[in-house]
Amino acid sequence: GQNIDQPTEMTATEGAIVQINCTYQTSGFNGLFWYQQHAGEAPTFLSYNVLDGLEEKGRFSSFLSRSKGYSYLLLKELQMKDSASYLCAVRVLYGQNFVFGPGTRLSVLP
Amino acid sequence: EPEVTQTPSHQVTQMGQEVILRCVPISNHLYFYWYRQILGQKVEFLVSFYNNEISEKSEIFDDQFSVERPDGSNFTLKIRSTKLEDSAMYFCASSENAGETQYFGPGTRLLVL
Repeated sequence: GQNIDQPTEMTATEGAIVQINCTYQTSGFNGLFWYQQHAGEAPTFLSYNVLDGLEEKGRFSSFLSRSKGYSYLLLKELQMKDSASYLCAVRVLYGQNFVFGPGTRLSVLP
Repeated sequence: EPEVTQTPSHQVTQMGQEVILRCVPISNHLYFYWYRQILGQKVEFLVSFYNNEISEKSEIFDDQFSVERPDGSNFTLKIRSTKLEDSAMYFCASSENAGETQYFGPGTRLLVL
């Protein structure tokens, strides 16, 4: 089976840094993707890791440790518009589809 | 910037009726997908499609579901006889190649009464 875990909710303050964790146990692994989803809207792509280490894209960074089955998304200089759900998705080896985690709902407070 | 489009944005139907959800993937993409998201739940994979045939499908994608690429641009999901539990947001996605980043459309919110 496939299992992906994320914290359900997080709260942070405008201007701060927040780290959203994702752990996974899947039958294979061929990459981990982070998406942002505002309520009632489509997931939008943020970041992608297939090798261990840190990928940085502006205010967003994502880290992967394949041996630990662990990833995190780091958001810096938080803005109110960053209030959204953040979805961790694993591409399982030999498969093309993504297995999504339950998402973490982030609230950014003034 | 190219994007995936979906129509309609909302669909209300009676239980037992057939619905067709439409998607136009990004033009140079070769792989197409349907996902659904029941309100308050996680995004779930339904089916992937490549070279005019299904390449992978989930347990959710039973005989009531079918997909088609009727022409060079549209990609459709048909639900033959809708059930109450089919009420969800349905997202179409596409990727340039297998396993690459998938780009999602805005979704169709389906409500089955």
